Amino acid sequence: DQQVKQNSPSLSVQEGRISILNCDYTNSMFDYFLWYKKYPAEGPTFLISISSIKDKNEDGRFTVFLNKSAKHLSLHIVPSQPGDSAVYFCAASGLSSSNTGKLIFGQGTTLQVKP
Amino acid sequence: NAGVTQTPKFRILKIGQSMTLQCTQDMNHNYMYWYRQDPGMGLKLIYYSVGAGITDKGEVPNGYNVSRSTTEDFPLRLELAAPSQTSVYFCASSGQGGYGYTFGSGTRLTVV
Repeated sequence: DQQVKQNSPSLSVQEGRISILNCDYTNSMFDYFLWYKKYPAEGPTFLISISSIKDKNEDGRFTVFLNKSAKHLSLHIVPSQPGDSAVYFCAASGLSSSNTGKLIFGQGTTLQVKP
Repeated sequence: NAGVTQTPKFRILKIGQSMTLQCTQDMNHNYMYWYRQDPGMGLKLIYYSVGAGITDKGEVPNGYNVSRSTTEDFPLRLELAAPSQTSVYFCASSGQGGYGYTFGSGTRLTVV
C-alpha cells in the first residue's frame, strides 16, 4: 500500500530547461509535504516543503505546487542545472503524525540534467 | 558541524550474524528515525524515537531493535541477519515538531 507515489523513476532534461517532478498521494489526511534531494553516497537533504493550506511555495529556482483535489504535488526546477542531477524524494506527513514527525516517502525520481 | 553521524559506512555480514548500526546527532534533537532504502522502493521507516527512553515501531520493524538511552544516540540492532536485510540504512533526526529531517550519510549493509 504505497501512500506516496512517484510514478516516474527517471527524468532527463537539458540544462537551462524546466524540470518537473511529480508525486501523487492517496491519504487525504496528509497535510504537509516535503521534497528531499539525494546525491550518491550521501543522505537525503531537505529541499522545500508546503503545507496543505497553500497551493504554491517558491524558493529560488525551486517551486512546489499542491493540488489537493487531485492529491498531486509537483516540483518545478527552473532553470535546471547539471548540479541538480540527483534522486528526488517526495514525502508526506499527516495530523496523526504531528507528535511523531513520521514521514512517508515516495520511491524517488532520478533527475539527470544534461549540459 | 557534525550533524548526524552514522557508522560504519559499509558492512558485509554473514547470514545469522548480528551487528549494531550506530547513529549519533549533536543538534539536541528529540526526534530520531531509522529508515531503510531498497532499490525502487523509497525510504521505509523501521523505528523511531520522540525522546530519550521512548521508541516505537515503524512500517518495517521485524528483525530489528533499537534503544534510546540518551538524546544523542539511537543505535539500530540487527539480530540474526538475513539476506532480506541487505539495504542502505539511514538515520535521521529533527527538532521539536518533527519536520525537516537531517539525515546521516547512510550505512550500506550486505548480508551474504
